[in-house]
Amino acid sequence: KAGVTQTPRYLIKTRGQQVTLSCSPISGHRSVSWYQQTPGQGLQFLFEYFSETQRNKGNFPGRFSGRQFSNSRSEMNVSTLELGDSALYLCASSLANRGEGYTFGSGTRLTVV
Amino acid sequence: DQQVKQNSPSLSVQEGRISILNCDYTNSMFDYFLWYKKYPAEGPTFLISISSIKDKNEDGRFTVFLNKSAKHLSLHIVPSQPGDSAVYFCAALWAAGNKLTFGGGTRVLVKP
Repeated sequence: KAGVTQTPRYLIKTRGQQVTLSCSPISGHRSVSWYQQTPGQGLQFLFEYFSETQRNKGNFPGRFSGRQFSNSRSEMNVSTLELGDSALYLCASSLANRGEGYTFGSGTRLTVV
Repeated sequence: DQQVKQNSPSLSVQEGRISILNCDYTNSMFDYFLWYKKYPAEGPTFLISISSIKDKNEDGRFTVFLNKSAKHLSLHIVPSQPGDSAVYFCAALWAAGNKLTFGGGTRVLVKP
């Protein structure tokens, strides 16, 4: 079966711009989570969506937002980009059984210049 | 406040020997613990998990042990293979939420 698909794989943006990243979960998975990985902070939770509703949110400023569509595809948006937003952004999807783990996509590498 | 910690940033082991990765946590509300393996520029790959009501879970070469009283878990890989060389992350799930809290990772190098 197809895995979690994230697009684009690489992105370069300028400070102050905004960016939208896309994630298509595994078919049948209704939960989609987003994570940010940086060398300094490691892997940090951004937010989780289930059935088009945000269920959990991490400690990130309001510039980071997301949404989920009826087909479970999700997008995250970062407005007014800062240099510190440069990171690998990972999307993960899961079934209801939490012990089965989350399947991650390959990520979007965002570079802010 | 780091709720999940992996105190060893790196580990080097000979092929065929056992790799032991350690993880400590502080939050008693965590009820599931997971291990992930990650290669550069790729997403983490799920390896194995354990519920907080168990003390051991085994899957092939991978075994996870949980010591709730010590708030400590470990991942044993035996025998280690060169393809196991990667960064391993310990993660915890909070009972009331569906978000993973990750440790800082341990880089494993398996020498042929």
